[in-house]
Amino acid sequence: GDSVTQMEGPVTLSEEAFLTINCTYTATGYPSLFWYVQYPGEGLQLLLKATKADDKGSNKGFEATYRKETTSFHLEKGSVQVSDSAVYFCALNSGGGADGLTFGKGTHLIIQP
Amino acid sequence: ETGVTQTPRHLVMGMTNKKSLKCEQHLGHNAMYWYKQSAKKPLELMFVYSLEERVENNSVPSRFSPECPNSSHLFLHLHTLQPEDSALYLCASSPGSWNTEAFFGQGTRLTVV
Repeated sequence: GDSVTQMEGPVTLSEEAFLTINCTYTATGYPSLFWYVQYPGEGLQLLLKATKADDKGSNKGFEATYRKETTSFHLEKGSVQVSDSAVYFCALNSGGGADGLTFGKGTHLIIQP
Repeated sequence: ETGVTQTPRHLVMGMTNKKSLKCEQHLGHNAMYWYKQSAKKPLELMFVYSLEERVENNSVPSRFSPECPNSSHLFLHLHTLQPEDSALYLCASSPGSWNTEAFFGQGTRLTVV
């Protein structure tokens, strides 16, 4: 079955540091890939997505590129802020609505001033 | 405003109580989901409804009972829960078409005492 693997953390960085959160996946067919963010006490918010190989999703300074050859979708940001502290989930959808999304375990990111 | 609203946001219930969680979406989506989020565990897909019909239950204990009276509303009825059922319960919806993202509510934080 489908699966998503991501570093769990916590990942602790200083403000303005460069961020990479690794995500690799196993899936049948050609999945769409997503990054979600969860702030404390909240639900999951879609951060960005990519629907086919070599697509780059971007939002709020975050980027991730769909790499089919390495089955990866790493999340990057050039300069993180304290407000980026949250839990980040990599996810995929390789089917229709009946399947739901497959999520990684989440990476807790802590940004220190 | 995510378009998916969950009530209540917080719920404390005894093991002999009966309660219900409510989810409402205003996005015109065809699929709705219940996920369970526990500390230190991956997101668990509990139930999927597509066009108001249940298509997945993932071996969830019978003390959890979903109901989808129409495409905009989803309930999770709870009875005789155990303390280990304490978690954040997330509702989500999606268009139901191929490889699409899901939109999440803010969740209900459930504590079973």
